[in-house]
Amino acid sequence: DTGVSQNPRHKITKRGQNVTFRCDPISEHNRLYWYRQTLGQGPEFLTYFQNEAQLEKSRLLSDRFSAERPKGSFSTLEIQRTEQGDSAMYLCASSLGRLRGTGPGYEQYFGPGTRLTVT
Amino acid sequence: GQQVMQIPQYQHVQEGEDFTTYCNSSTTLSNIQWYKQRPGGHPVFLIQLVKSGEVKKQKRLTFQFGEAKKNSSLHITATQTTDVGTYFCAAYNFNKFYFGSGTKLNVKP
Repeated sequence: DTGVSQNPRHKITKRGQNVTFRCDPISEHNRLYWYRQTLGQGPEFLTYFQNEAQLEKSRLLSDRFSAERPKGSFSTLEIQRTEQGDSAMYLCASSLGRLRGTGPGYEQYFGPGTRLTVT
Repeated sequence: GQQVMQIPQYQHVQEGEDFTTYCNSSTTLSNIQWYKQRPGGHPVFLIQLVKSGEVKKQKRLTFQFGEAKKNSSLHITATQTTDVGTYFCAAYNFNKFYFGSGTKLNVKP
């Protein structure tokens, strides 16, 4: 399977615990995005990497969230001291640096997501 | 910050009827993308629009980008049960994608 993979698919944790999710993008993609999605809402941008550099981070993201992409390949998203409000689907997407054709913009390939439940 | 409003929130149609979802922004967009998410699935890319007034077609799907690049629409002709899902627009600005809240389409056979 050459698509985007995410592990684990489901995570149940108690409030206050730390959790870490992993995303393996499509191998030739240099861009990687993390999103959070709650029921009935669209994906909410969390952070973005170009290769190993984290170029954008949402201001909505508290200091409890951190993401890394060592060597520009897989990425991890860590949530420290989880809260019940962190319960959501965490989606990872990857893309090439440029679409074919004119103008900016990048087609994103999403992984299946990690569903986090904080009890 | 950037906000993208999408309407309607839900749409129930009889198979064979047409469907349209609209995406609106208060600011000019550099481009807009559309995604489809099936129940229990993840978003899947449909199309990207970049130019003012651009219209693109994919079989029964027609995508439009407004002249002012502040709005976009997705129109499905003669819906089928396979069209069921939630359709999202996503606006790109400064390395971020801002997704609308989506339009959930239900098609009755």
